[in-house]
Amino acid sequence: QKEVEQDPGPLSVPEGAIVSLNCTYSNSAFQYFMWYRQYSRKGPELLMYTYSSGNKEDGRFTAQVDKSSKYISLFIRDSQPSDSATYLCAMSPDRGSTLGRLYFGRGTQLTVWP
Amino acid sequence: NAGVTQTPKFQVLKTGQSMTLQCAQDMNHNSMYWYRQDPGMGLRLIYYSASEGTTDKGEVPNGYNVSRLNKREFSLRLESAAPSQTSVYFCASSDQPRTGGEQFFGPGTRLTVL
Repeated sequence: QKEVEQDPGPLSVPEGAIVSLNCTYSNSAFQYFMWYRQYSRKGPELLMYTYSSGNKEDGRFTAQVDKSSKYISLFIRDSQPSDSATYLCAMSPDRGSTLGRLYFGRGTQLTVWP
Repeated sequence: NAGVTQTPKFQVLKTGQSMTLQCAQDMNHNSMYWYRQDPGMGLRLIYYSASEGTTDKGEVPNGYNVSRLNKREFSLRLESAAPSQTSVYFCASSDQPRTGGEQFFGPGTRLTVL
């Protein structure tokens, strides 16, 4: 079992829809949680970054972390065709021999159609 | 600032040939990473360098070697390329542990081994 599980999709929604992307994980040492966005034939770029549990909002994007359930989510409100990309969750411990290493999900491919 | 740069962007090799992928960052980051990305597999860590002068194996190191030439540069070498090494290779850097693992990615190198 991978340490980070993410449904690869693909996910296809109409413009304006609310999109929910999710990841589960097994390592309780993870404290940093990130979402990366990757456009086709480009490198991943950081979209959202949270530490420990709770919510973080940035414009149309909201990241949620539920450490008790080992579950993280990314919500996209009023989705746009420009949001079409692959979204990768990533997480990292805050201590130990693997400090600084990121553990990635497989990525969810999202298409928002006009 | 160019961020993270990678050369070459594309490469085609024959089985058994060798090559070196170059990566440089201008953000004065301590840590650098090499990943490969295959369809449906997400990002898998090949090698990383937590600081200048140190390198460590990641999840899939077999068939690869790395050199941390200085703080800016981190190269990945394929000594005898195999078709299984056909992939997209990404270099990344981070200022860990201060930023808790947030990583910045280069644009990638698309490698095909025939």
